[in-house]
Amino acid sequence: AQSVTQLGSHVSVSEGALVLLRCNYSSSVPPYLFWYVQYPNQGLQLLLKYTTGATLVKGINGFEAEFKKSETSFHLTKPSAHMSDAAEYFCAVSDQDDKIIFGKGTRLHILP
Amino acid sequence: EPEVTQTPSHQVTQMGQEVILRCVPISNHLYFYWYRQILGQKVEFLVSFYNNEISEKSEIFDDQFSVERPDGSNFTLKIRSTKLEDSAMYFCASSQGQGGEKLFFGSGTQLSVL
Repeated sequence: AQSVTQLGSHVSVSEGALVLLRCNYSSSVPPYLFWYVQYPNQGLQLLLKYTTGATLVKGINGFEAEFKKSETSFHLTKPSAHMSDAAEYFCAVSDQDDKIIFGKGTRLHILP
Repeated sequence: EPEVTQTPSHQVTQMGQEVILRCVPISNHLYFYWYRQILGQKVEFLVSFYNNEISEKSEIFDDQFSVERPDGSNFTLKIRSTKLEDSAMYFCASSQGQGGEKLFFGSGTQLSVL
């Protein structure tokens, strides 16, 4: 069975600082990995995904994530935080078959 | 960009009442899903639907829940007799292909059971 663990339900960073949101996964088969973002009162929006190939994937709004099989991790980063990045971020895994399994989410707060 | 549309955005109901949550997936998509998110908790898979039948469902999706694609455009989730613990944000999603490669999510229906 697949699962996702997101470390830290809340993360605060200063505007302009590095954003690092941690995600570890468990999967018995090569996984598809995703990061979704949820802005207040909105639905889930795909930030980026890893399926196969290059392990460093770039997404929208300057975010990127690196698939590290040896660490079973897929951490999300952004070099310089912006106020508009404040949102809830969900890491997710799929076993290439059908459904996506989500982590509990990390709420990102941006400090002025 | 095409989008998944959900109505209503908020639904308030009394415990024991039936509710129907409506979704219009993207027109050329073939796979349809419902997820829910109880306040403060993770987004949970409920059910997937393909070729006019349920392809997978979670433990949450008991006999009180049903899904239907009554016509070529709508995808509905029905809860027959709502319980307090059914209060959550319900997300509809659709995709063109399998493998979760790109699910498009709607903006959700906030269900409050009183």
